Amino acid sequence: DAKTTQPPSMDCAEGRAANLPCNHSTISGNEYVYWYRQIHSQGPQYIIHGLKNNETNEMASLIITEDRKSSTLILPHATLRDTAVYYCIVRPNYGGATNKLIFGTGTLLAVQP
Amino acid sequence: GAVVSQHPSWVICKSGTSVKIECRSLDFQATTMFWYRQFPKQSLMLMATSNEGSKATYEQGVEKDKFLINHASLTLSTLTVTSAHPEDSSFYICSARDSGTDSYSGANVLTFGAGSRLTVL
Repeated sequence: DAKTTQPPSMDCAEGRAANLPCNHSTISGNEYVYWYRQIHSQGPQYIIHGLKNNETNEMASLIITEDRKSSTLILPHATLRDTAVYYCIVRPNYGGATNKLIFGTGTLLAVQP
Repeated sequence: GAVVSQHPSWVICKSGTSVKIECRSLDFQATTMFWYRQFPKQSLMLMATSNEGSKATYEQGVEKDKFLINHASLTLSTLTVTSAHPEDSSFYICSARDSGTDSYSGANVLTFGAGSRLTVL
């Protein structure tokens, strides 16, 4: 899997947008960008994923640069419940035993009241 | 949505005993499940890939005789920590992918359980 680089921590004010960056300069053509988050003492939760187009769902938006070497996860209106470690992972989008997720160190987002 | 259940959510045991952790996909079938371990303030570390009806595939450095994995059905995988010692105390998390999902539709998503916290005294 391609390696990703994320800042270790970020702060965000409640109600403001949280923009979490991720660098994946060695991403290959068949690899998607996935974002998961882990709230303290819980299992990770899927947020969103994309290949090259920007994506949006009920949780967040994903902006991928044209060269695909970096991306940004956007939480449009952060709440205290969004405080968590956010993981950016790149991997091929096919199933099977190679479908494993390798987690990096992620970004600890602290939403401040 | 897809739900993965782990049991027990926490367990305390004496050194030298064995502990079994169950991982169930509640509303979907999973031919493949994954087991992770997480130490305090660290990221998740993949331990092994559990394959229904066949032997598990272990990551480098993970002792297969220490961490026994059984995936006997399409909805259940178990992890047994044998002869547990204090250094095995950790947060164990499983995940699964819905086998019925078309991987090319963009739904190649893993669902995680809530985790099982093991404390070995």
